[in-house]
Amino acid sequence: KAGVTQTPRYLIKTRGQQVTLSCSPISGHRSVSWYQQTPGQGLQFLFEYFSETQRNKGNFPGRFSGRQFSNSRSEMNVSTLELGDSALYLCASSLAGFGYTFGSGTRLTVV
Amino acid sequence: KNEVEQSPQNLTAQEGEFITINCSYSVGISALHWLQQHPGGGIVSLFMLSSGKKKHGRLIATINIQEKHSSLHITASHPRDSAVYICAVISNFGNEKLTFGTGTRLTIIP
Repeated sequence: KAGVTQTPRYLIKTRGQQVTLSCSPISGHRSVSWYQQTPGQGLQFLFEYFSETQRNKGNFPGRFSGRQFSNSRSEMNVSTLELGDSALYLCASSLAGFGYTFGSGTRLTVV
Repeated sequence: KNEVEQSPQNLTAQEGEFITINCSYSVGISALHWLQQHPGGGIVSLFMLSSGKKKHGRLIATINIQEKHSSLHITASHPRDSAVYICAVISNFGNEKLTFGTGTRLTIIP
């Protein structure tokens, strides 16, 4: 079966712009979570969506937002990009009690 | 102090050696995950544990809930095991979010 698909794989944006990243979960998985990975802070939880509702949120500013569609695909948006937003953004889908399957990530570079 | 601590941060070993990576956490948890990340970024979930021990091929993961400690063991290590291994926990406060350790970078030399 298809894995978790994240698009795009790489992205270069300028400070002040906004960006939208996409994540398509494994078929049948209704939970999608997003993570940011940087060399300095490691992996950090951004938010989790389940059945189109945000169920949990990490400690990130309001510039980071997300949503989930009825087909469980999810998007995250970062507005007013800062240099410090350069990171690998990972999403994972899960079926309750059966662990997480991660996508390959989107590497965002803000210049 | 981080909620999830891993040791060692870096580990270099010869092919064939037995490897142990440790994870300690300070919160009550409902589950603990061991993840593997290769260069390029992709993360693979190796184990999800809530008690006892699990084995998959040459990998073994154990958890001691009372001591708030888990270990990941690799038997007969191979260069393809070279990766970053990350421990992550889900707290039992009803908040299903992963909290990650800082990772252990493992290098296996042929």
